[in-house]
Amino acid sequence: EDQVTQSPEALRLQEGESSSLNCSYTVSGLRGLFWYRQDPGKGPEFLFTLYSAGEEKEKERLKATLTKKESFLHITAPKPEDSATYLCAVQARTTDSWGKLQFGAGTQVVVTP
Amino acid sequence: EAQVTQNPRYLITVTGKKLTVTCSQNMNHEYMSWYRQDPGLGLRQIYYSMNVEVTDKGDVPEGYKVSRKEKRNFPLILESPSPNQTSLYFCASSLASGRVHEQYFGPGTRLTVT
Repeated sequence: EDQVTQSPEALRLQEGESSSLNCSYTVSGLRGLFWYRQDPGKGPEFLFTLYSAGEEKEKERLKATLTKKESFLHITAPKPEDSATYLCAVQARTTDSWGKLQFGAGTQVVVTP
Repeated sequence: EAQVTQNPRYLITVTGKKLTVTCSQNMNHEYMSWYRQDPGLGLRQIYYSMNVEVTDKGDVPEGYKVSRKEKRNFPLILESPSPNQTSLYFCASSLASGRVHEQYFGPGTRLTVT
């Protein structure tokens, strides 16, 4: 069965203290891995898509990387506005339907000044 | 402005009373999807649609129905709601070409079934 696991569940950082979030997945074949950011009371907001092992994407203080079994979201020198829940989602390369997506439970990040 | 809209945003109802949550997008996206979000469980996919008249089950379809008669609309129907369907619901849309691309999410509908 396909699974997506995110760790840690929660992360408390001081402003400027870099850290990494993990998303490990077990799928029969990966079609795409997505990172989203979600603020309280709002819908998730797209950050990155990664398609193949070795791929990296960057946006401001965020950098996403992908291996064959996991993805990392690195937050460099975070600011309080980076506080949010970060969600990982996986689209498996199945033949029956490519529209199915599985999300992890998320990592709640709090950055204090 | 590109957006996904959901209505209503908040709904309190009673067990067994049929309800519909509407979802509409103005980006001409082929792919649309419904999710529910519960504490500790993350987002779970209910149904998705890859184009007009093409729908399929996600991980938690029991108790829900959908239809996709027009490209822009993808309503979620609860024929006989039960308390375990109390949740935060999100609709999303995306371009699609053999794979799902970045999804745009609606603002959410908070449903309480008593």
